Amino acid sequence: GQQLNQSPQSMFIQEGEDVSMNCTSSSIFNTWLWYKQDPGEGPVLLIALYKAGELTSNGRLTAQFGITRKDSFLNISASIPSDVGIYFCAGSSSNTGKLIFGQGTTLQVKP
Amino acid sequence: NAGVTQTPKFRVLKTGQSMTLLCAQDMNHEYMYWYRQDPGMGLRLIHYSVGEGTTAKGEVPDGYNVSRLKKQNFLLGLESAAPSQTSVYFCASSYSSGGDATDEQFFGPGTRLTVL
Repeated sequence: GQQLNQSPQSMFIQEGEDVSMNCTSSSIFNTWLWYKQDPGEGPVLLIALYKAGELTSNGRLTAQFGITRKDSFLNISASIPSDVGIYFCAGSSSNTGKLIFGQGTTLQVKP
Repeated sequence: NAGVTQTPKFRVLKTGQSMTLLCAQDMNHEYMYWYRQDPGMGLRLIHYSVGEGTTAKGEVPDGYNVSRLKKQNFLLGLESAAPSQTSVYFCASSYSSGGDATDEQFFGPGTRLTVL
């Protein structure tokens, strides 16, 4: 079945640093979504991408839908302590609404 | 507007016991989903529903059953719980799957299940 490879698996950075994470797939997706999960909570949508090449920002977050439709990246600029959590990419390639999730990137920010 | 709610939040079962997890959404969404989350494995789809009265299998359906008798509710059942079903279970819903903003899934807070 379809799989997403998300990297890195974890990051430990200093407050103020920029962060970059990405997801790659062996198959084409029509939609890429990026979610953040805080401890003990459900994932919350950060950014949604619907067109190849699309670059979208949400505050300090920027995400891009790869031209090949097989990858996406998420950048966080000037990280702050509340950025701590697990970030998931998710892709959809069918009209059933089913999402395939990456394994997640755990981000820790040192004040 | 509560969004997606799940009950219970925590549960401990003994092997062989049964239970039902309830998911409710008040956003008039057509599509609903049940996922399980295990360390290092992201979220895996158990079952989903594209409308009232319909259900379909996801990636890891074995050992689970679901029902969608009302549009706003999606129930996940474990008939005979096993330790391998110890996990955090998330329900989600979306308006539809039009390849646009209607794809976006909204998640509940999760149910932490331990099977001894």
